[in-house]
Amino acid sequence: AQSVTQLGSHVSVSEGALVLLRCNYSSSVPPYLFWYVQYPNQGLQLLLKYTSAATLVKGINGFEAEFKKSETSFHLTKPSAHMSDAAEYFCAVSPAGTALIFGKGTTLSVSS
Amino acid sequence: NAGVTQTPKFRVLKTGQSMTLLCAQDMNHEYMYWYRQDPGMGLRLIHYSVGEGTTAKGEVPDGYNVSRLKKQNFLLGLESAAPSQTSVYFCASKDRGLDDTQYFGPGTRLTVL
Repeated sequence: AQSVTQLGSHVSVSEGALVLLRCNYSSSVPPYLFWYVQYPNQGLQLLLKYTSAATLVKGINGFEAEFKKSETSFHLTKPSAHMSDAAEYFCAVSPAGTALIFGKGTTLSVSS
Repeated sequence: NAGVTQTPKFRVLKTGQSMTLLCAQDMNHEYMYWYRQDPGMGLRLIHYSVGEGTTAKGEVPDGYNVSRLKKQNFLLGLESAAPSQTSVYFCASKDRGLDDTQYFGPGTRLTVL
């Protein structure tokens, strides 16, 4: 069965510091991979997605993620954290192009 | 273009009561989904639909039923609510392409007492 593992349920950084949120997937075939963000009391919003066109994917709000097949990873990064980045982040895989399988989420806290 | 909307936004039920959650999308998407979100569990798929008149079970379908009578609407029913169904429910839709993005509604917060 396909699965997604997000390492660290809670990540804390200082404003201006590097953000690194980790995601590993299990899939027997190259999947479609997504990162979503959820702000408090809101729905999920797409940050970026990997669809095999390029291994380095740029998303909204300065986030990017790199697909590494050898490591089965799709980690999310941002060079400089902003207070407004505080939210919950979900990695998801779509092995067959229909439903999404989500990781359990990582809450990002940003301190001044 | 409202995207994906959900009705109601909040609801409190007593154990054993029934209710229906409505999801509507105005993007002419083929696929629609119902997820539930619980703390520390991420989002888990309840049921989904790949077209009008079709539905399929997801990861956690027990205690729920769905219907897709119209392409733009996807209903989630709880016939006899249980406290374990206290959760936040999200609807999503997407087009039929393999890499198409799922668009999410704002959620329904349901409490079962």
